[in-house]
Amino acid sequence: DAMVIQNPRYQVTQFGKPVTLSCSQTLNHNVMYWYQQKSSQAPKLLFHYYDKDFNNEADTPDNFQSRRPNTSFCFLDIRSPGLGDAAMYLCATRDRGQETQYFGPGTRLLVL
Amino acid sequence: SQQGEEDPQALSIQEGENATMNCSYKTSINNLQWYRQNSGRGLVHLILIRSNEREKHSGRLRVTLDTSKKSSSLLITASRAADTASYFCATDSSASKIIFGSGTRLSIRP
Repeated sequence: DAMVIQNPRYQVTQFGKPVTLSCSQTLNHNVMYWYQQKSSQAPKLLFHYYDKDFNNEADTPDNFQSRRPNTSFCFLDIRSPGLGDAAMYLCATRDRGQETQYFGPGTRLLVL
Repeated sequence: SQQGEEDPQALSIQEGENATMNCSYKTSINNLQWYRQNSGRGLVHLILIRSNEREKHSGRLRVTLDTSKKSSSLLITASRAADTASYFCATDSSASKIIFGSGTRLSIRP
């Protein structure tokens, strides 16, 4: 089945130690999104790619970076995780001309 | 920034009853979507209603949209235990992104 895959499902890192979360899709969608979701809150958009065009939200911390080497893969890099970065990170895709977003299962990040 | 506010924040009902959740938003929209999120999982798209539509049905779901009041409601009829989840409205006012509301946590008691 076509889907959005996130690895790992759970990630533990140390304060200040760089971490990378990955997302892949078999849907061949041209738009990919990264959201941060803290407990009992709404998903908050960090950035998105429209094809190779990168779009950063104004309030996304500089600590967060992203790479999209090809259509299928997108990475979220957190350069120096702080305790406040512990959250669920959700990847989503959307097809050109469509409105529905398709979400992966998320990666829960714990910062020690 | 958060576009939508949802109420109630939490709702607990008996299995078989209907559940109604409301969403209010601030700016003009192209469409409004509802998503469901089971605990610890990703979001699943439920239904989309466009700004020129007033009501839409999908199975046990009914969505209404009142653009003059900038509000929407999601009705789940004949609730089941499997409907227990968080429900988010999301407004689409630009080409590429949507903004989620604060969500309603729905619990169905057996």
